[in-house]
Amino acid sequence: NAGVTQTPKFRILKIGQSMTLQCAQDMNHNYMYWYRQDPGMGLKLIYYSVGAGITDKGEVPNGYNVSRSTTEDFPLRLELAAPSQTSVYFCASSEGQGGEKLFFGSGTQLSVL
Amino acid sequence: GENVEQHPSTLSVQEGDSAVIKCTYSDSASNYFPWYKQELGKRPQLIIDIRSNVGEKKDQRIAVTLNKTAKHFSLHITETQPEDSAVYFCAATKSSASKIIFGSGTRLSIRP
Repeated sequence: NAGVTQTPKFRILKIGQSMTLQCAQDMNHNYMYWYRQDPGMGLKLIYYSVGAGITDKGEVPNGYNVSRSTTEDFPLRLELAAPSQTSVYFCASSEGQGGEKLFFGSGTQLSVL
Repeated sequence: GENVEQHPSTLSVQEGDSAVIKCTYSDSASNYFPWYKQELGKRPQLIIDIRSNVGEKKDQRIAVTLNKTAKHFSLHITETQPEDSAVYFCAATKSSASKIIFGSGTRLSIRP
C-alpha cells in the first residue's frame, strides 16, 4: 500500500514549456486534490475531483488543467509555464467527503526559469 | 463560503512548556476540524481531528478543543519537545462540502 505517489519529485522548466505532474493513489479514495505551497506560505487549492470524470476549480486554477479518467490517477497539467508557477505541488486524497483525513503525496518541487 | 483564520503565525516556546494555536471559522455548519503538521521539507500529515459533537479530544501530548458557540478551536501541545518544531495548519469542513478550507499556518519553534 503506497498511499499517494507523486512524480517527479523535482523539475526545472523554462518559461513557456508545459509538463504534467503525476499523482496516483491506491486507497480507492474518490476525493483527490491538488495544492500548491509557495515558500513559507500555506496551502492553496488548485483543482479537485470528487470522482472519476468529475473535476472542479479551487482557489487558484489559472494556468493549470486536470483530468480524472480513473479513480486512481489525477494528473495536473501546466501549460505555458510562468515564473509565478514556481512552487511545491502536493497531491492529496481523502478518505471521506469534505476533504476529511487527507493523505498527501511527498510533493513536486517545480522551478520555472 | 467558509473562512478559517489562524493565530499566531509564528510561536516560539521553551522546551518543556506548552504551546497553544487558535483558529476561528465562519461557517456554523462546519462539523469537522483537523490539524496537520508539516515538518521542514516534508508533506503535511494529519495529527489530530475533532468532530462537532465533542468538545475535546486528546492523544498523548496533543489535544484539540472546540467551542461551537464561539466558532473557534485550538491545538494544545504539552511538554513540548524539539521534534514538535514544524508548521501546523488547522482546517474546517462540513459533510456536504467537497473540499476543506485551511488556515494560513503557524510556525512553531521549540527553544532548547
